Amino acid sequence: GDSVTQMEGPVTLSEEAFLTINCTYTATGYPSLFWYVQYPGEGLQLLLKATKADDKGSNKGFEATYRKETTSFHLEKGSVQVSDSAVYFCALNPWTAGNMLTFGGGTRLMVKP
Amino acid sequence: DSGVTQTPKHLITATGQRVTLRCSPRSGDLSVYWYQQSLDQGLQFLIQYYNGEERAKGNILERFSAQQFPDLHSELNLSSLELGDSALYFCASSNPLDRMNDGYTFGSGTRLTVV
Repeated sequence: GDSVTQMEGPVTLSEEAFLTINCTYTATGYPSLFWYVQYPGEGLQLLLKATKADDKGSNKGFEATYRKETTSFHLEKGSVQVSDSAVYFCALNPWTAGNMLTFGGGTRLMVKP
Repeated sequence: DSGVTQTPKHLITATGQRVTLRCSPRSGDLSVYWYQQSLDQGLQFLIQYYNGEERAKGNILERFSAQQFPDLHSELNLSSLELGDSALYFCASSNPLDRMNDGYTFGSGTRLTVV
């Protein structure tokens, strides 16, 4: 079945450091890929998405490229801020019946000043 | 405001009791999904409804039930509550027919505390 694997957290960085959160997936066909972010005390918000191979999703300085050859969708940011501290979820939509997203386990990011 | 409304935001109740969580999906979305999030942060899929009908079931306990009404709002009923049911409960909605917007929109959740 479909699955999403994320690196385990927490990831602790200093402000202005480079961020990478790894995400790999298993799916048949051509799924859409997503990154969601959950700030403390809030629900999940869509951060970025990509719908086909080699697409790059970007938002708020975050980027992720849909790599079909490595079945990956790693999240990157060049310079993190304290306000980026949150839990990040990678997800896929296989576009089979039911429009069911499969989520990874989440990665907590802590950014220290 | 994401467009998905969940009420109440917080709920404190005793073991053995029953509660109802409510979700109004984003305008135009026909699917509603319920998730449970425990302290270890993982999302546990509970159940999905599409246009009033149950579409998919996850790891939902028999003590839990849900339904989606003709106006598309949904309710999650939790009964015979146990301490371990304390968690954040999220509702999400989507329009499966809209390939350009094929993610979910999440509500801000209901925090349930069972004492």
